[in-house]
Amino acid sequence: KAGVTQTPRYLIKTRGQQVTLSCSPISGHRSVSWYQQTPGQGLQFLFEYFSETQRNKGNFPGRFSGRQFSNSRSEMNVSTLELGDSALYLCASSRSPVDTQYFGPGTRLTVL
Amino acid sequence: QKEVEQDPGPLSVPEGAIVSLNCTYSNSAFQYFMWYRQYSRKGPELLMYTYSSGNKEDGRFTAQVDKSSKYISLFIRDSQPSDSATYLCAMSDTGANSKLTFGKGITLSVRP
Repeated sequence: KAGVTQTPRYLIKTRGQQVTLSCSPISGHRSVSWYQQTPGQGLQFLFEYFSETQRNKGNFPGRFSGRQFSNSRSEMNVSTLELGDSALYLCASSRSPVDTQYFGPGTRLTVL
Repeated sequence: QKEVEQDPGPLSVPEGAIVSLNCTYSNSAFQYFMWYRQYSRKGPELLMYTYSSGNKEDGRFTAQVDKSSKYISLFIRDSQPSDSATYLCAMSDTGANSKLTFGKGITLSVRP
């Protein structure tokens, strides 16, 4: 069974640009969560989607947004990139919000 | 004060040692407690999950939760070089896979 897939794996952008990251959950999983991981702040929750609806949102500015499609694939978007947005962005999927979640390998975003 | 505090490490032990990893937290609403293991260049994987207070054992791993002290622990018996990884505690008040708050993680190295 294929795991959670995140694309791209690595990305370099400059300040002010915007970026879209993609997550394909494990087949049959309808719940997707996004996290940001940095050395300074650790892993921080961004948002959670289930059946195309955002269930929870973390304490991030409005520049961070996400969505989930009918096939459960999810995207997150960061607009007007700042240097501090450089991080590993992790996606996790589960059958439902109460089931075990499985993390993808992450997308490493570097903002110059 | 961060909601979840974890010893920063790093921690280096000889093979066969008993390892104790700890986290403290301030939010008394946390009910779901998890330990994740993250290998280099990989996403976190769930090791142990405990609901509310108590102990849980799985092979060489034991998780303990003391809600009265707001303290959780992970014990690794007979540690192996393959246990070398970053260990993260995570907690939630809404569900085992919902809006997790993570500790910053501790890097464990088990020397052969």
